[in-house]
Amino acid sequence: QKEVEQNSGPLSVPEGAIASLNCTYSDRGSQSFFWYRQYSGKSPELIMFIYSNGDKEDGRFTAQLNKASQYVSLLIRDSQPSDSATYLCAVTVGGATNKLIFGTGTLLAVQP
Amino acid sequence: NAGVTQTPKFQVLKTGQSMTLQCAQDMNHNSMYWYRQDPGMGLRLIYYSASEGTTDKGEVPNGYNVSRLNKREFSLRLESAAPSQTSVYFCASSEGVGMNTEAFFGQGTRLTVV
Repeated sequence: QKEVEQNSGPLSVPEGAIASLNCTYSDRGSQSFFWYRQYSGKSPELIMFIYSNGDKEDGRFTAQLNKASQYVSLLIRDSQPSDSATYLCAVTVGGATNKLIFGTGTLLAVQP
Repeated sequence: NAGVTQTPKFQVLKTGQSMTLQCAQDMNHNSMYWYRQDPGMGLRLIYYSASEGTTDKGEVPNGYNVSRLNKREFSLRLESAAPSQTSVYFCASSEGVGMNTEAFFGQGTRLTVV
């Protein structure tokens, strides 16, 4: 079992809809959770981070964390074609070592 | 502000050749990472260095070695390249203190082993 799991997609949503991206992780001691966006041929860039249970909102993006269920999600409201990219979930594992493990990524396609 | 700089950007190697990928960061970060990215596999951690003077294996360390030369630089060495090591390699760094583990990435090195 991979330490961080994501549905590889592709996830296709119409422009203006809400895109929901999900991620599960196996290390109960994980403390930091990140969502990165990666356009084709480019480096990953950070969209959101979340450390506490609950929701965290930043513009059109909302990250949700449920440590009891070992589940983190990203909601993108009013999806735009420019949001089409691969979204990578990342989790720190191994206690204080800050080892950062990524999921396989979900490809999001927003249809105009 | 350069951030994380990787060299080279592209490289073609023959099977059995060796090479070193270089990475340097100018953000005074403690932690540095090497990942490889293959189609459909996401980013897989090869090695990481939580702080200057320490290195640890990640998910896929076989066939690689690393050196944390100083706080700024973290190199990845392929001693005897194999076609299975054809990939895009990313170096990243983070402050790595407490909750501050946001990683910043270099532009990547596209390596082809023939």
